[in-house]
Amino acid sequence: EAQVTQNPRYLITVTGKKLTVTCSQNMNHEYMSWYRQDPGLGLRQIYYSMNVEVTDKGDVPEGYKVSRKEKRNFPLILESPSPNQTSLYFCASSFGPGNTEAFFGQGTRLTVV
Amino acid sequence: GESVGLHLPTLSVQEGDNSIINCAYSNSASDYFIWYKQESGKGPQFIIDIRSNMDKRQGQRVTVLLNKTVKHLSLQIAATQPGDSAVYFCAENWRSQGNLIFGKGTKLSVKP
Repeated sequence: EAQVTQNPRYLITVTGKKLTVTCSQNMNHEYMSWYRQDPGLGLRQIYYSMNVEVTDKGDVPEGYKVSRKEKRNFPLILESPSPNQTSLYFCASSFGPGNTEAFFGQGTRLTVV
Repeated sequence: GESVGLHLPTLSVQEGDNSIINCAYSNSASDYFIWYKQESGKGPQFIIDIRSNMDKRQGQRVTVLLNKTVKHLSLQIAATQPGDSAVYFCAENWRSQGNLIFGKGTKLSVKP
C-alpha cells in the first residue's frame, strides 16, 4: 500500500530535550516536506527536500532541522524543543515540486511542556 | 506576504444538498490551485486541482471553479454525503519554489 508513515503519532516532551520525528514513504517520491498545523493558521511548510542530500527552508524553519540521506526517509529534528513548537506535524511526499498531489502522513501531535 | 485564505470558517449543509466552499487567493503567479480534504485524525488528502489557465474542472461529484479576475476559487460538491464531512483547504502551488501554500480551511458538516 502506497503510504507515508510518521512516527511517533503522539509525543509529549520537555523543553530542551532533543527529539526526532521520522517520516518514510514507499512511493519512490523525490519531493518530501514537513508541515506544521496550528489552529487558525492552517498548514505551514517547515522544510522541504527535492531529492537526496538536497534540503531547503520553507516558511517556518526556525528551531527545526532535517536530513535526507535516503530517498525514502526525511526525519524532522528538534534540537531544543520549546513550548511554541507544540503543534500537529505532517510529513508529505510527491513525485516532484511541481506536482500538486501530495501524499500526507497521519500526523504527529507534539506537546512540549 | 502573499496568502491563500477562506471566506467562511464553517459550513453546514443537509445531506443530499450541494455544497460550495470558497477561497480567496492573493498570488496571481501560482500555476495551480488545489483542494485538499482533511478528515478528523488524518492527514490532508488531494481532491482536485486546476491549472491557472483554466476556469473550470470537474471530477467525480466535485467541480472547481477559478475566477482570476477576482482571485476567487471555489469547490462545489454535488449531493453532499456524511462522508464529505471534513475540513477543506485550498492551496496554491508555486512550481519554482516547490511548495504548497495552504489556506486556513473550512469545516464542512453534513446533517443527516
